[in-house]
Amino acid sequence: EVQLLESGGGLAQPGGSLRLSCAASGFTFSSYVMSWVRQAPGKGLEWVSAITGSGGSTYYADSVKGRLTISRDNSKNTLYLQMNSLRAEDTAVYYCAKVRAAAGLDAFDIWGQGTMVTVSS
Amino acid sequence: QSVLTQPPSVSGAPGQRVTISCTGSSSNIGAGYDVHWYQQLPGTAPKLLIYGNSNRPSGVPDRFSGSKSGTSASLAITGLQAEDEADYYCLSYDSSLSGYVFGTGTKVTVL
Repeated sequence: EVQLLESGGGLAQPGGSLRLSCAASGFTFSSYVMSWVRQAPGKGLEWVSAITGSGGSTYYADSVKGRLTISRDNSKNTLYLQMNSLRAEDTAVYYCAKVRAAAGLDAFDIWGQGTMVTVSS
Repeated sequence: QSVLTQPPSVSGAPGQRVTISCTGSSSNIGAGYDVHWYQQLPGTAPKLLIYGNSNRPSGVPDRFSGSKSGTSASLAITGLQAEDEADYYCLSYDSSLSGYVFGTGTKVTVL
């Protein structure tokens, strides 16, 4: 069964850091673009970042550029999101998602259950 | 501020047909990028309903259909059922932003 399982969420202070992880199983992890999507409480979905299968290329929303860093370890089938200089507006449920096709700008077909990040003093 | 605009809410009686629009611009939908649709039930992760403008993943009922024309796309739900009450989002790619963009989201209410 194809599955994504996020972890690492929690409470962080403004200006602080957190690292989210997403463990993948049931598919050839290294073949697929992976992404992070977030949803603030009561709000809509916001794409955050994406990384190619090899990890050689990364992409970010303007709202997180320079503060959040996406990476992956294909030997561990794990996706990461390093979150630095956190702000209150980063408070959200963070989902990792797999891109459907092995190439191209395709849909996110598999999603994790999400992990909550709260930024507050 | 999303670049893909959806109506905040739509409603219909059981059995009726409802449509949700997703309006973009020349840098996303109008540039030829595919539109995908998601259903999100309360407290759960989004579920892929339509990919590549009009394709249904395995297991998605054929009551759900998608279309795209110009700078807009639409999701239609026919034979509306109580279990369809959820939030719906469109997704595409924007070349000006060099990233994916979600629509503003639409809440579907079954009367």
